[in-house]
Formats: sequence, C-alpha cells, structure tokens
Amino acid sequence: QSALTQPPSASGSPGQSVTISCTGTSSDIGGYDFVSWYQHHPGKAPRLMIFEVTKRPSGVPDRFSGSKSDNTASLTVSELQAEDEADYYCSSYAGRNTVVLGGGTKLTVL
Amino acid sequence: QVLVVQSGAEVRKPGASVKVSCKTSGYIFSAYYIHVLRQAPGQGFEWMGVINPGGNTKYYSQKFQGRVTITRDTSTSTVYVNVSDLRSEDSGLYYCARGGRSPSGVWDYWGQGTLVTVSS
Repeated sequence: QSALTQPPSASGSPGQSVTISCTGTSSDIGGYDFVSWYQHHPGKAPRLMIFEVTKRPSGVPDRFSGSKSDNTASLTVSELQAEDEADYYCSSYAGRNTVVLGGGTKLTVL
Repeated sequence: QVLVVQSGAEVRKPGASVKVSCKTSGYIFSAYYIHVLRQAPGQGFEWMGVINPGGNTKYYSQKFQGRVTITRDTSTSTVYVNVSDLRSEDSGLYYCARGGRSPSGVWDYWGQGTLVTVSS
C-alpha cells in the first residue's frame, strides 16, 4: 500500500484536459512544497515532469501543470496527445530525509 | 551529459544478497544526492533510501532499514546498493536516480534499472 493515494486510472480524448490527484497527509504533501510528478513509459526510465509542486523542467511542454491544495496535489495535462499515454507517479518529501510515492495512475488517451 | 549507468541483471536465491552499482558521470558527484527506488513486477515505485555522496550520510525507508545499505566510491563516482536476506518479493527493477542538492526527492536523471530476480 502506497503512502500517497492516486486513482489507478484516468482517461481523456485527444485535445481534452485530464487531472490526476495525489492525496497524502499533513506530514508529507501538506507539510512541504516538494511534490514531484513523473511520467513512465514501461521499459523506459521515468521522466520528471513537475517538481516543487508547480515547476516544469526545461523541455517539458507547458501542457503539463501542477498544483496543491492542503494535502492533495494535482497534475493537469491539457490538450491531450497520444504520446501522453503513460503511467504517472507523484512523490513528496515526508520529512526526516524520507520520500514517499503514490501508487501510480495509468493515463489512457482514448 | 549526465549519465547514470547501472550494473546488469542478477539472479539470487532466497536468503542471499545482491549488490547493484550505479556509475554516474557528467556532473560533480559530491554535489547531488542519489536516491534508490525499486519497482516490483506490475507494481508502482517504492523509495528505498538516499545517499549524500559528499557528506556520506545515508537515510533509509523504515521498510528497508537493516536490509539495505547504500555506499559510494568517490574515486569512481559510483553508488552501490546492497540488499541482504533476499526474499521473492524483493524481485523487481532497482533504479538509481539523481536527486537535488537536498534529500527532497526531485529525480532528474535515472539509471536504466537493474533487474533482480529472487528465486529458488
């Protein structure tokens, strides 16, 4: 059982927007602005998409955005494209030099 | 460019140990934390621990405390992950990922993963 809770699946049609949630507690997501999101295509290394809740690394399209409210973080993918189909994982700093992750959400582009 | 290159697949029997290596290059080794994660077949990622190569401090997930040891060799910019007393549920892909300058967990470069199979 993962420390952070994500929906197992999400879907949307090309061009639509989809939001994936990641729920934790006041000891992790709610306590720190160190939430990250990763895109994972099976067989490849995960890719950092969002860090520190809202920041995008260089090279990540601005269709990807992050936010946080209380103990829940969210990743929104706008203008869905076929290549966005992947597994998405959230992570959060949890204090005492530890990190926790969500169980992952499989995003399907219909 | 930044690279994290991991050692090859391993097969071990239950009760044995395995040591995975993660050789880094393209940046100042001592300046960035290296995290270790694993992914069991069909499952999500689990954070196992982190090492600060500069100060040689290490922190572990409570789940793996006592069975996992992370070390580093600054002369070769390599991190080693030793997992002892292996069980079948330890089978999976083990990853090293470069973190930031703190243990907060922003993983910008990943190794290719090392498959560990535990089977009698």
